Amino acid sequence: AQSVTQPDIHITVSEGASLELRCNYSYGATPYLFWYVQSPGQGLQLLLKYFSGDTLVQGIKGFEAEFKRSQSSFNLRKPSVHWSDAAEYFCAVGLDAGGTSYGKLTFGQGTILTVHP
Amino acid sequence: NAGVTQTPKFQVLKTGQSMTLQCAQDMNHNSMYWYRQDPGMGLRLIYYSASEGTTDKGEVPNGYNVSRLNKREFSLRLESAAPSQTSVYFCASSVGQGTDTQYFGPGTRLTVL
Repeated sequence: AQSVTQPDIHITVSEGASLELRCNYSYGATPYLFWYVQSPGQGLQLLLKYFSGDTLVQGIKGFEAEFKRSQSSFNLRKPSVHWSDAAEYFCAVGLDAGGTSYGKLTFGQGTILTVHP
Repeated sequence: NAGVTQTPKFQVLKTGQSMTLQCAQDMNHNSMYWYRQDPGMGLRLIYYSASEGTTDKGEVPNGYNVSRLNKREFSLRLESAAPSQTSVYFCASSVGQGTDTQYFGPGTRLTVL
């Protein structure tokens, strides 16, 4: 069964500093990978996704992520964090069962980002 | 375009009571999902509906039932609520199955006493 691990439960950075959130997955085939962000009291919003092709993916709000097959990782990065980026971030893996694919997503445990002024 | 809407936003139940969580989407999506979110566990899929007229179990279906009322609406029912069902429930929808982006509602915070 597929699984997703986000090793960092809580990360604190200063505003303007760079950010990297880690995500590791376990899945036999090429996965479909997503990063979602959840602001307090809100639903989840898609930041970016990787299906195939270029392994460096650009998303909204200045975020990017890099798929590294050899490391089974899909880490999220941002060069300069803003106070409004404080939120919880979820990595997710999508399952594609070939011709009968269905939209089951497996989520990581989430990483809470705190931004200090 | 409201996207995915959920009602109610908050609910408190006593053990053994029943209730239905409502979800609707106005994006003409085919697939809809119900998740629960618990601290430190991410989101876990309860049930999903790949298309109107079909529903299937997800990872944690016990204690829940669902109804895909029409293409727009997908409800989640707790027949006899238990404290273990205290959680935040999210509904989501996507154009189709597989790898399509899922769009999430704002959530329902449920407490079972």
